[in-house]
Amino acid sequence: DIQMTQSPSSLSASVGDRVTITCRASQSISSYLNWYQQKSGKAPKLLIYAASSLQSGVPSRFSGSGSGTDFTLTISSLQPEDFATYYCQRSYSTLWTFGQGTKVEVK
Amino acid sequence: QLQLQESGPGLVKPSETLSLTCTVSGGSISSSSYYWGWIRQPPGKGLEWIGTIYYIKSTYYNPSLKSRVTISVDTSKNQFSLKLSSVTAADTAVYYCARHYEGFDYWGQGTLVTVSS
Repeated sequence: DIQMTQSPSSLSASVGDRVTITCRASQSISSYLNWYQQKSGKAPKLLIYAASSLQSGVPSRFSGSGSGTDFTLTISSLQPEDFATYYCQRSYSTLWTFGQGTKVEVK
Repeated sequence: QLQLQESGPGLVKPSETLSLTCTVSGGSISSSSYYWGWIRQPPGKGLEWIGTIYYIKSTYYNPSLKSRVTISVDTSKNQFSLKLSSVTAADTAVYYCARHYEGFDYWGQGTLVTVSS
C-alpha cells in the first residue's frame, strides 16, 4: 500500500509568515493529491485538488505544487483564520487515504 | 446547494454493528459524476478514509477495515449507508459522510459514535 507522510507534524508561525507543509508518497501518485484544512470541531474543507488546482472560494494565498512522490502546500501570508490542521490525501488507484496531519499553531 | 447529513445511534455496544446513514439533499446520489464516501476521526486523532461507493454499485474499502465494512445506497431516499461490524472501543470516532470526485468537496457535519457497554 502507498503510504502518505506529512511533515512537519506541527509548526509554530506568526501572522504574515510564509508556511510550507510537505507530503510525501511512498510511490508515485502522479498528481492525485489533495489538501484539506480542518478547524477544531468542524468538518475538513477542501483547499487544493489534483496537486495544484485551487478549489472554488479558497483564497489565493493557498497554493499547491508537486507531482510523483513529493508535494507541497504553501500559505503565502498566514492569516489569523489559517491556524488549523492541514491534511494531504491521495486519490490514486481507488484508495483515498490521508496523511497524518500538520497542526499550524500560533508562535 | 448540496447538503449531507449523517444520522444514527450515538452509542454502540462492543461486538455489535455500527449503522449510519447519510442523507443527501440538493443533488442526486444516482449521478455518475460523483463518488460518495465515509471518513472517520477518532477523538484527537487524524482522518481515516473508511470506504466509498460509486454509481450505486461499485464499492471501495480501506484494506484495514474491509472485512468489517459494508456501504450501500438507497436511491429512493437519496441516502447511502455505512455498516461496521464487530466494533470495539477503537471504533469510537466522529464519522463523516462526503461527496468526492477530485477531492472530498462536500461534507456532512459529522456524528460522534461511541463504542461502550
